[in-house]
Amino acid sequence: SSELTQDPAVSVALGQTVRITCQGDSLRRYYASWYQQKPGQAPVLVIYDKNNRPSGIPDRFSGSTSGNTASLTITGAQAEDEADYYCNSRDSSANLVVFGGGTKLTVL
Amino acid sequence: QVQLQQWGAGLLKPSETLSLTCAVYGASFRDYYWIWIRQPPGKGLEWIGEINHSGSTNYNPSLKSRVTISVDASKSQFSLNLSSVTAADTAVYYCARRNRVVYTSGWSAEYFQHWGQGTLVTVSS
Repeated sequence: SSELTQDPAVSVALGQTVRITCQGDSLRRYYASWYQQKPGQAPVLVIYDKNNRPSGIPDRFSGSTSGNTASLTITGAQAEDEADYYCNSRDSSANLVVFGGGTKLTVL
Repeated sequence: QVQLQQWGAGLLKPSETLSLTCAVYGASFRDYYWIWIRQPPGKGLEWIGEINHSGSTNYNPSLKSRVTISVDASKSQFSLNLSSVTAADTAVYYCARRNRVVYTSGWSAEYFQHWGQGTLVTVSS
């Protein structure tokens, strides 16, 4: 299957830790990348490869993979982290790029 | 500093052809694949397809019959054509650069670090 499955919505209290997950068979061979998208803006890459952050992304963002599940963890969530988060990988058998359906993160 | 700048018509009638172009600045055009992605209003991201500098393409099977992605490497530009559009093609269209890492372990990683600003294309009669 070429699908990536994400929970539609997750909430976290300000300053607490939250994990956003992404499940799919492609994640057994491809590291997920993670994108943050705020309303009216283009997606921004926050985690890529094994667990790398582009310049300018705070170190409270981290990524991990286990089996067919990739996770994005925000340690000490801030109000500005409220956004939609998408995971992405490639289905190598079908040679197409797949995105998860997105997770709306609310910071309470 | 890598920049992608995209342009194209924002309002189309059903059955017309969507055409967008993306220009790349500050990056080696030859070293990457270049991507089109779209996002319908209020919905998630959908990969449309990709192309490299020599014109090698991969398309989303769900759109393949209507999509053509082309390249003008001399100008560091690539373009998207989507034929026979309907209201279901209304979306923000993004161009992006694909980075790829392949490990000897068999694992790989792909990611899109640089994106265009997005173009809202509305299909309406």
